[in-house]
Amino acid sequence: NAGVTQTPKFQVLKTGQSMTLQCAQDMNHNSMYWYRQDPGMGLRLIYYSASEGTTDKGEVPNGYNVSRLNKREFSLRLESAAPSQTSVYFCASSPKVSAAHLGQYFGPGTRLTVT
Amino acid sequence: QKEVEQDPGPLSVPEGAIVSLNCTYSNSAFQYFMWYRQYSRKGPELLMYTYSSGNKEDGRFTAQVDKSSKYISLFIRDSQPSDSATYLCAMSANNQGGKLIFGQGTELSVKP
Repeated sequence: NAGVTQTPKFQVLKTGQSMTLQCAQDMNHNSMYWYRQDPGMGLRLIYYSASEGTTDKGEVPNGYNVSRLNKREFSLRLESAAPSQTSVYFCASSPKVSAAHLGQYFGPGTRLTVT
Repeated sequence: QKEVEQDPGPLSVPEGAIVSLNCTYSNSAFQYFMWYRQYSRKGPELLMYTYSSGNKEDGRFTAQVDKSSKYISLFIRDSQPSDSATYLCAMSANNQGGKLIFGQGTELSVKP
């Protein structure tokens, strides 16, 4: 039982390049989330998917797109990377959105640097 | 002003000390209060959650919520070097679709 997995673990991009961060969970959770973590800022929600087929914006959605490919997978795409998107990105899942307070399960993170 | 404020530390204590970690918040609609622990270069993991005001104890950890003061605390008794991590508070309201608002995190180091 792997929990939440993320690929890649590290990535360096040049300004203007695009990339997709992959996330998968094997806990049969309905809800999935993408966060970014920056020094002094805590975790900020980028996008979330309450259930398969739905996505909604979080606190900092600009510059990102998401796809809920199926119940297991939720990807985050940067279409034209900017230095301000240098961050650590975490994917998380929970059984359902209304039970998010019972615990979101986080992946190991992707460290992204945009030069 | 951030909705949730947390002293980033770092906080350094000797092994066996009692540690107090705190967060303040401004949104009176918050009903659920959580504490996450994050080891270096790992994802956060849920330690405890409480609903509304009151205390909750789990082993060496006690979470307190004072909604009248908009203040929450996490106490760690008999702290161990293995408790060295960043501790993040998080909060949510019933009408926010499960969205969590996190504090900045407090980095704790427990010295042997």
